[in-house]
Amino acid sequence: TAGITQAPTSQILAAGRSMTLRCTQDMRHNAMYWYRQDLGLGLRLIHYSNTAGTTGKGEVPDGYSVSRANTDDFPLTLASAVPSQTSVYFCASSDGTEREQFFGPGTRLTVL
Amino acid sequence: GQNIDQPTEMTATEGAIVQINCTYQTSGFNGLFWYQQHAGEAPTFLSYNVLDGLEEKGRFSSFLSRSKGYSYLLLKELQMKDSASYLCAVRDSNYQLIWGAGTKLIIKP
Repeated sequence: TAGITQAPTSQILAAGRSMTLRCTQDMRHNAMYWYRQDLGLGLRLIHYSNTAGTTGKGEVPDGYSVSRANTDDFPLTLASAVPSQTSVYFCASSDGTEREQFFGPGTRLTVL
Repeated sequence: GQNIDQPTEMTATEGAIVQINCTYQTSGFNGLFWYQQHAGEAPTFLSYNVLDGLEEKGRFSSFLSRSKGYSYLLLKELQMKDSASYLCAVRDSNYQLIWGAGTKLIIKP
């Protein structure tokens, strides 16, 4: 079982460009999450989805959008990247909001 | 505001015991999680506490006191592979996880 996959592994992006970070899980988990992790800070929730067809805003949603067309996929889009969005992005899923979260391997994004 | 505090870094010796503390102030409490994260890798789940007391899982134990807003992770018989960051996270009233910045644990031979 693959669990959660993310693509790309890393990316360098010019400021102002758009980009979609992909996340796919094969565990049939209802809930999915996007976090960013920056040095010296805890993981911060960007957006989440409790079930297919629904999404919600986390702690730091500005500049990001998500969609949840089906159970397996939860892409994160940066419409116009800025240098402050340089970070490591983790996608996670859980079998309900009361269960532990499982994390993908992360995408390291650098915006120049 | 919501806040999770953990020491930034700790050092311990192989074979010894180490305790990593976590204090929290959150809007509501629906459980506390500990995750392990090796450098350059994803966090992986270690333990979960929702009631006061000690949960033991092999060499790792986690303790919770809800009245004190306090938890600790106890690692016994330390091995070099335990060198990692340990993340404390609290699930708040909205069932979202609030994360501490993590404690980097350095194991010396």
